[in-house]
Amino acid sequence: NAGVTQTPKFQVLKTGQSMTLQCAQDMNHNSMYWYRQDPGMGLRLIYYSASEGTTDKGEVPNGYNVSRLNKREFSLRLESAAPSQTSVYFCATIPPRPSSNEQFFGPGTRLTVL
Amino acid sequence: AQTVTQSQPEMSVQEAETVTLSCTYDTSESDYYLFWYKQPPSRQMILVIRQEAYKQQNATENRFSVNFQKAAKSFSLKISDSQLGDAAMYFCAYRSARQAGTALIFGKGTTLSVSS
Repeated sequence: NAGVTQTPKFQVLKTGQSMTLQCAQDMNHNSMYWYRQDPGMGLRLIYYSASEGTTDKGEVPNGYNVSRLNKREFSLRLESAAPSQTSVYFCATIPPRPSSNEQFFGPGTRLTVL
Repeated sequence: AQTVTQSQPEMSVQEAETVTLSCTYDTSESDYYLFWYKQPPSRQMILVIRQEAYKQQNATENRFSVNFQKAAKSFSLKISDSQLGDAAMYFCAYRSARQAGTALIFGKGTTLSVSS
């Protein structure tokens, strides 16, 4: 049981380049989420998918797109990376009634945009 | 909209002592979850403890316990017998239970340092 996996773990991009962050979960949850973490800001929601086939914007969606490929996979795409998108990105999946012995977050991706 | 506030950017504690991290939240809902997450330097987000709003009993997980005051909208984390491995960033988070698929809302975090 891998839980939530993210690839890559680290990435360096130049301004204007594109990339896709991959996320997969084997917990059979409907909901998946993408957050970004910046110093002093906590984690802020970028996009989420309440169920397969649906996606919605979160607090900071500008510059990102998402795809809910199937129940397991939820990808985040940067079409034209900007230095302001330098951050740590987390994927998460949370059931409707979360228990206290499950871990819902992936290991994170540290992205640097030069 | 719901908000979560952690008013202590940094806290420190000595090994074996007890420390309390504060969290307040704002919501008009009655059914929700509250969480404390630990983020060590490895950056992994680790769930420490969770509280269901309809339960009056405070949650405990080994050395970690919470003081949940629903009327005051307060949710503090107490770490007893602090260990060096407790040094990390701690995040308080809220999640509505009203609708499936709602996201976690996080506070800005408290950095805890532990000295020997």
